[in-house]
Amino acid sequence: GAVVSQHPSRVICKSGTSVKIECRSLDFQATTMFWYRQFPKKSLMLMATSNEGSKATYEQGVEKDKFLINHASLTLSTLTVTSAHPEDSSFYICSATGFQDTQYFGPGTRLTVL
Amino acid sequence: TQLLEQSPQFLSIQEGENLTVYCNSSSVFSSLQWYRQEPGEGPVLLVTVVTGGEVKKLKRLTFQFGDARKDSSLHITAAQPGDTGLYLCAGGIQGAQKLVFGQGTRLTINP
Repeated sequence: GAVVSQHPSRVICKSGTSVKIECRSLDFQATTMFWYRQFPKKSLMLMATSNEGSKATYEQGVEKDKFLINHASLTLSTLTVTSAHPEDSSFYICSATGFQDTQYFGPGTRLTVL
Repeated sequence: TQLLEQSPQFLSIQEGENLTVYCNSSSVFSSLQWYRQEPGEGPVLLVTVVTGGEVKKLKRLTFQFGDARKDSSLHITAAQPGDTGLYLCAGGIQGAQKLVFGQGTRLTINP
């Protein structure tokens, strides 16, 4: 149980385009999901907390107009990187909260902006 | 700001040896979670501890939550090459649901 999926697993896009990443909890409902960014050989950096039916809460320094988050249902949250630039290239990981506030992570999405 | 100091950040040992990874903080956490991450994949949950002094075992891995819920350790007995990976500790913040992550320990077990 407690499986989280992400789609796509890898995406390559041109600078200036927008990219949407989906995060789904497959066998449980999650009122709260989280989006992280991970740089090579580093730990996870929390970008935002996604709450079903309400606006996301962004961490300090994360541009909410650049990283659009939508949590339309109890099993789906999306992260859209708008007007992507090469510096946005990274490994993006989502998680969904389950029992005892344990977070279950998706497999990650590797974004490369050319 | 709550911080979790994880040490060591890099560890390379021979197969069969024992090791311990530590996570320490001056803050109290409602829970402590340990994850293992392989390159190019998301972190996989190993254990959640919620009670001060709690000890949990997962085969050759032993996890302990400090009595004051400010620190935790992961001990691996007779390490194997399959234990290689990035180990992350993460502390739960009461009432906030979000986690505070340690810097990670990159463990390499050499055959």
